Amino acid sequence: EAQVTQNPRYLITVTGKKLTVTCSQNMNHEYMSWYRQDPGLGLRQIYYSMNVEVTDKGDVPEGYKVSRKEKRNFPLILESPSPNQTSLYFCASSSTIRDRGETQYFGPGTRLLVL
Amino acid sequence: AQTVTQSQPEMSVQEAETVTLSCTYDTSESNYYLFWYKQPPSRQMILVIRQEAYKQQNATENRFSVNFQKAAKSFSLKISDSQLGDTAMYFCAFMKERRRNDYKLSFGAGTTVTVRA
Repeated sequence: EAQVTQNPRYLITVTGKKLTVTCSQNMNHEYMSWYRQDPGLGLRQIYYSMNVEVTDKGDVPEGYKVSRKEKRNFPLILESPSPNQTSLYFCASSSTIRDRGETQYFGPGTRLLVL
Repeated sequence: AQTVTQSQPEMSVQEAETVTLSCTYDTSESNYYLFWYKQPPSRQMILVIRQEAYKQQNATENRFSVNFQKAAKSFSLKISDSQLGDTAMYFCAFMKERRRNDYKLSFGAGTTVTVRA
């Protein structure tokens, strides 16, 4: 089954404790992206990657890091989480082939609470 | 930067009735893509329908259809014969025609739709 997976699905942590949210897709997609969802703001892009070893900032990158060492994985790293990073996080992927890649496939979401 | 506006935070509809969600966007691009995503209580993001700006014909997917008005930069979603399973938050999203490194989806704030039995 074609899918995007994220782990963990729920996470409660404390300020300053480094954490990683994993994202993996099995569709051989080149493009992957992270979004955060906050009430009244919709989803906003954090970072994205066009392919292995190619990453770039989205609209709200402060406080986050990413890496793309393998095509299927795109982890999101919070080096020193703060309460304002409490949010619902989504990973998404898509092909870069024209007329096939305009649709992005989303993971199930990770709900993060930073105390 | 593109902005997407959903002016209706919440809407309620009786089962089997029709509801229309509004979405407007701002862009200087001539070609782009528009999407409606559904987010049920499970929080999963589910693609409902998509529209390419260069296509005149409005997209339809079963009970879901759009009214795309390019000149007015409007992209409304109509849900016909509403069902209880349609209860969800609906997001309108915009994406420029993909070139170079710009595949970003810009989302509206969402509209919560409640279908009443």
